[in-house]
Amino acid sequence: EADIYQTPRYLVIGTGKKITLECSQTMGHDKMYWYQQDPGMELHLIHYSYGVNSTEKGDLSSESTVSRIRTEHFPLTLESARPSHTSQYLCASEGQGSYEQYFGPGTRLTVT
Amino acid sequence: AQTVTQSQPEMSVQEAETVTLSCTYDTSESDYYLFWYKQPPSRQMILVIRQEAYKQQNATENRFSVNFQKAAKSFSLKISDSQLGDAAMYFCAYRSMYSGGGADGLTFGKGTHLIIQP
Repeated sequence: EADIYQTPRYLVIGTGKKITLECSQTMGHDKMYWYQQDPGMELHLIHYSYGVNSTEKGDLSSESTVSRIRTEHFPLTLESARPSHTSQYLCASEGQGSYEQYFGPGTRLTVT
Repeated sequence: AQTVTQSQPEMSVQEAETVTLSCTYDTSESDYYLFWYKQPPSRQMILVIRQEAYKQQNATENRFSVNFQKAAKSFSLKISDSQLGDAAMYFCAYRSMYSGGGADGLTFGKGTHLIIQP
């Protein structure tokens, strides 16, 4: 398995809380991605980054934000969590020219 | 925009038998990659097999092989000698060869839940 990590694995929080989902990889990959997997298991790209100081929004509109200050780190933040944010969030990375994305174990978020 | 369709929400197969999971896609691009990913319950998404669109030869990885029909935009996964550990959600995914504008994000199908009967 690839060296990409996500914390926490599971999180239950109340509405209105600010949360940050952590993602880190030790492979030196420039490209990193966040996907949202809804309860029906569909996956959608919500954010991506091509390298340090590069962040873009994906296909699915999301109220979350991301940052990329270091190559290995790509955290996702929700300023005010809502029940509609309940989902699994998957982080992935890709090496230059490889076209293969490696996924982290995911964070399963429940907002009550 | 590309779309990926997996028409089988669930498939069941006896252990040691062969099963084929279907995937079709729609794109106007000529160069792209196709992947099958496996997601076991509560475990990490892992890459099973990949196919480059410019290669006519079907990809094979041990018990896993694909039937890639570019003209028909079809990309099925065959699992031979099914094992209990193959039980998982299987996702078909498309990736453009182009970069920029989110083009190198993966477009996924809705997944097929594969059950292995002992």
